[in-house]
Amino acid sequence: QSVLTQPPSVSGAPGQRVTISCTGSSSNIGAGYDVHWYQQLPGTAPKLLIYGNSNRPSGVPDRFSGSKSGTSASLAITGLQAEDEADYYCQSYDSSLSGSSVFGTGTKVTVL
Amino acid sequence: QVQLQESGPGLVKPSQTLSLTCTVSGGSISSGGYYWSWIRQHPGKGLEWIGYIYYSGSTYYNPSLKSRVTISVDTSKNQFSLKLSSVTAADTAVYYCARVEGASIAAALFDYWGQGTLVTVSS
Repeated sequence: QSVLTQPPSVSGAPGQRVTISCTGSSSNIGAGYDVHWYQQLPGTAPKLLIYGNSNRPSGVPDRFSGSKSGTSASLAITGLQAEDEADYYCQSYDSSLSGSSVFGTGTKVTVL
Repeated sequence: QVQLQESGPGLVKPSQTLSLTCTVSGGSISSGGYYWSWIRQHPGKGLEWIGYIYYSGSTYYNPSLKSRVTISVDTSKNQFSLKLSSVTAADTAVYYCARVEGASIAAALFDYWGQGTLVTVSS
């Protein structure tokens, strides 16, 4: 049912940069609605990582950054660390679904 | 610091109603300014938004679940609840409650989450 598509997995060596894409459509990201990102460490609840496309909550390292363009958004992790191994989800609003929040399909980041 | 805690049965029989409660501490639901939400995650799968409620009782539901979902609020207990009727094995999931931040539903994001509770649907 996810209307936001993410790659199932990305990987990188420690210190490298990885990016995760979140592709939507004209009724969500393309309509100008904000994109938010969450990190879910194994066995834990998701945690807000990026809000309003590119803003970091207090306490989130600046290694994490977000951007948005057109019908897509991206999360970048620079200087990849072992503790960044987790699942990442984008989230936005979809005007075609009666006030719905929608999540991306999720991406597993593996640190090699 | 806002904290949320889910509670309810971990096992529900098929065709019955799943009922969960989220207790909020460190903040008052009745003070307004926030919606409160339920989100679920099927085993090994992604996140699925279920619905939101405001302290006034205003609700929004996922269209795919709307016919079976009721979210209610009890401001006197600082709790909100989820009822999902006619459950099947496909409703087996970890259920999270969360606070919704944002100037409007269109800007909604989930800034505080409960730890989640696994609900299994099985006879």
